[in-house]
Amino acid sequence: SQKIEQNSEALNIQEGKTATLTCNYTNYSPAYLQWYRQDPGRGPVFLLLIRENEKEKRKERLKVTFDTTLKQSLFHITASQPADSATYLCAGGATNKLIFGTGTLLAVQP
Amino acid sequence: DGGITQSPKYLFRKEGQNVTLSCEQNLNHDAMYWYRQDPGQGLRLIYYSQIVNDFQKGDIAEGYSVSREKKESFPLTVTSAQKNPTAFYLCASSMTANYGYTFGSGTRLTVV
Repeated sequence: SQKIEQNSEALNIQEGKTATLTCNYTNYSPAYLQWYRQDPGRGPVFLLLIRENEKEKRKERLKVTFDTTLKQSLFHITASQPADSATYLCAGGATNKLIFGTGTLLAVQP
Repeated sequence: DGGITQSPKYLFRKEGQNVTLSCEQNLNHDAMYWYRQDPGQGLRLIYYSQIVNDFQKGDIAEGYSVSREKKESFPLTVTSAQKNPTAFYLCASSMTANYGYTFGSGTRLTVV
């Protein structure tokens, strides 16, 4: 079945460092990948979309890459802040819908 | 302000009762979706609709029903046939399937 896989272990980093989260896809080739932020008890918030013909996309302190050879997307937050602490969800485009990963919890320590 | 509204935020129901979750959007989006989120699992698609008066089953549609009579509204009914209905339910909308989704704040349903 089509799958989006994210590291289920929490990522702990120090304030000011770059956080890098990984998303892998299996059994299909998504035309695009999306990244969302989710805070506890809230709905996800859309951050970035990258298409398969784009290698990299940036938005302020965020950067996302799409490697069709490795079947992977990397999501980077530079100069991380405690306010960036949240769960980050990766989602892959499928026919008329998105397939979501389980998310990675990021904790930025002051 | 444009957005998507889910109500209620918390809902408690007795086993065997049907319950309807509300989802309204004023973003003029054509596509709407219902997802279910359980601890340790990704969002799982229940139903989606790309246009008024049309909807399709997602991956876990059994025990659920929807309607799409208006562009703005996409209510979800959790029926007594749903074996494990206690979960966090999220509604979303988008211009088309390949645009970012706007999510509501969710409804936490607890069946006792």
